[in-house]
Amino acid sequence: SQELEQSPQSLIVQEGKNLTINCTSSKTLYGLYWYKQKYGEGLIFLMMLQKGGEEKSHEKITAKLDEKKQQSSLHITASQPSHAGIYLCGADDNNDMRFGAGTRLTVKP
Amino acid sequence: GAVVSQHPSWVICKSGTSVKIECRSLDFQATTMFWYRQFPKQSLMLMATSNEGSKATYEQGVEKDKFLINHASLTLSTLTVTSAHPEDSSFYICSARGRSTSYGYTFGSGTRLTVV
Repeated sequence: SQELEQSPQSLIVQEGKNLTINCTSSKTLYGLYWYKQKYGEGLIFLMMLQKGGEEKSHEKITAKLDEKKQQSSLHITASQPSHAGIYLCGADDNNDMRFGAGTRLTVKP
Repeated sequence: GAVVSQHPSWVICKSGTSVKIECRSLDFQATTMFWYRQFPKQSLMLMATSNEGSKATYEQGVEKDKFLINHASLTLSTLTVTSAHPEDSSFYICSARGRSTSYGYTFGSGTRLTVV
């Protein structure tokens, strides 16, 4: 099955700073999803990428999928405390979705 | 948009009892439903996949007799944790996918199970 590696595992940034989270797949990605979660709560859908080189933005969050469709990045500009949480990348794998280990983001005011 | 309702949101049960968690797709037909488990500070781990009217497909290491999954209709799937033990305490979350690819995967809000 597909394996997704996320990095870093955790990240602490000062409010206002930019940050990037990476997600690398062992196979070609046919659908890459980014979610945000606080443990014990549901997932908040952020973005879905399908095409090589695709880039999507929503407010201060931008997600990209590389041309080879094996790596995706999530970039947050001018981070705020409200961005804190666990960010998960998920990928379509043989008709089910599997997740990376997650990145725990802390934003210090 | 597509909505999946999961309940209960939290449950506490005694060791040895069974607990049922429901997952309903409210405005679309969920041809496939997925059940995940999440332990503290860990990611979501897929437990099983079920297609409407078929037996669930379990991931390696997940006991099918302990985690009973029923997907009897296109809008409802249930996960029953049988003879629960404290080590089954976890956050369980379902996801549903409809026939239309535009819906993608829609997640329920999760159930926090505590077995005492």
